[in-house]
Amino acid sequence: DIQMTQSPSSVSASVGDRVTITCRASQGISSGLAWYQQKPGKVPKLLIYAASSLQSGVPSRFSGSGSGTDFTLTISSLQPEDFGNYYCQQANSFPWTFGQGTKVEIK
Amino acid sequence: EVQLVESGGGLVQPGGSLRLSCAASGLTVSSHYMSWVRQAPGKGLEWVSLIYSGGNTYYADSVKGRFTISRDNSKNTLYLQMNSLRAEDTAVYYCTRALYYFDYWGQGTLVTVSS
Repeated sequence: DIQMTQSPSSVSASVGDRVTITCRASQGISSGLAWYQQKPGKVPKLLIYAASSLQSGVPSRFSGSGSGTDFTLTISSLQPEDFGNYYCQQANSFPWTFGQGTKVEIK
Repeated sequence: EVQLVESGGGLVQPGGSLRLSCAASGLTVSSHYMSWVRQAPGKGLEWVSLIYSGGNTYYADSVKGRFTISRDNSKNTLYLQMNSLRAEDTAVYYCTRALYYFDYWGQGTLVTVSS
């Protein structure tokens, strides 16, 4: 199975800060990576697919990059509504797997 | 507008069975890859199962041999038959459309396995 490791496990940042979350795959997954945001008590929301494609309706301050084993989700200017947990997910091979999550808090 | 509405969750004893349903509107279940994803209380997301539009099915190792994904094209509904349930199967189960990533999600249904 492909293991997905996210870092950091949590981050606290101020409004306007640039926030970067990384996701590392235990083996190459090409561009088969997605990012999700989940707010407490809510359903996960797709942000980025195919490593760098922005899902329709998602603000442009969110961006994704990477291929192979190393990927990054960047929030260019953190907004108050961006708090929550963020997960990466690989769909390159079965079983599809998620990272353990990164909690984003607003200072 | 796509809507996925899960039902069938509840409290079940260890070793018991439960069938989850996901009624879809705004998309045809048989034309898409459909999947179940679960989330244990306070934990992260875990992919559970997938059914291709062609009918092939795939499972996480943790549920293989115990869970069965299926669909009823006439009802436009996705199912997850869960047998031999264990305490570690306790989770919210989400129905999703799966384009190798999950773009549409239902609200989830809670399954609690406890005596």
